[in-house]
Amino acid sequence: GEDVEQSLFLSVREGDSSVINCTYTDSSSTYLYWYKQEPGAGLQLLTYIFSNMDMKQDQRLTVLLNKKDKHLSLRIADTQTGDSAIYFCAESIRGGYQKVTFGTGTKLQVIP
Amino acid sequence: DGGITQSPKYLFRKEGQNVTLSCEQNLNHDAMYWYRQDPGQGLRLIYYSQIVNDFQKGDIAEGYSVSREKKESFPLTVTSAQKNPTAFYLCASSTPGFGNTGELFFGEGSRLTVL
Repeated sequence: GEDVEQSLFLSVREGDSSVINCTYTDSSSTYLYWYKQEPGAGLQLLTYIFSNMDMKQDQRLTVLLNKKDKHLSLRIADTQTGDSAIYFCAESIRGGYQKVTFGTGTKLQVIP
Repeated sequence: DGGITQSPKYLFRKEGQNVTLSCEQNLNHDAMYWYRQDPGQGLRLIYYSQIVNDFQKGDIAEGYSVSREKKESFPLTVTSAQKNPTAFYLCASSTPGFGNTGELFFGEGSRLTVL
């Protein structure tokens, strides 16, 4: 079955890089995602990576995928106070029904 | 603007009462989902619907019911049979199928508190 795990909390200083890690168990995952949740709001897609890729960069965001270890990471460069939020890793198996499994979420606190 | 609207944002209910949470989307998405969020547990799938007049149980469907009479609408009823209903409820929609990234679009959520 599917299981996605993340550490619950990360604290970094403003201007430093943040690295949020995620492990997943289903090797048939097709897409892996990072979602961001601001306090009291819904989730918004930050970025995603297709399972045949190793890395994806999008401005301050870098996603690394290690398929052998089933490990996904999100690096945020030059972290700002506005980056404080909960970050969810998610995996998807495509098919007639697209089932998305979410991790527990990592709460990122940015200290000014 | 296209998006998903959930209402109410906050809801209080007495034990033994049923409540219905509204979810409406104007994104023309075929699939809609209900998730429950509890601190430290991530998002858990309650029900999903791939098409009008069809829906399937997710991982934690007990004590909940849904309907999908219109493409735009997917209301969730939290019944008195749900033993621990206090939570943050999120509705989402997507366009599934090969060739799509599978991005889920979320509403702003409804926070239900049972008194």
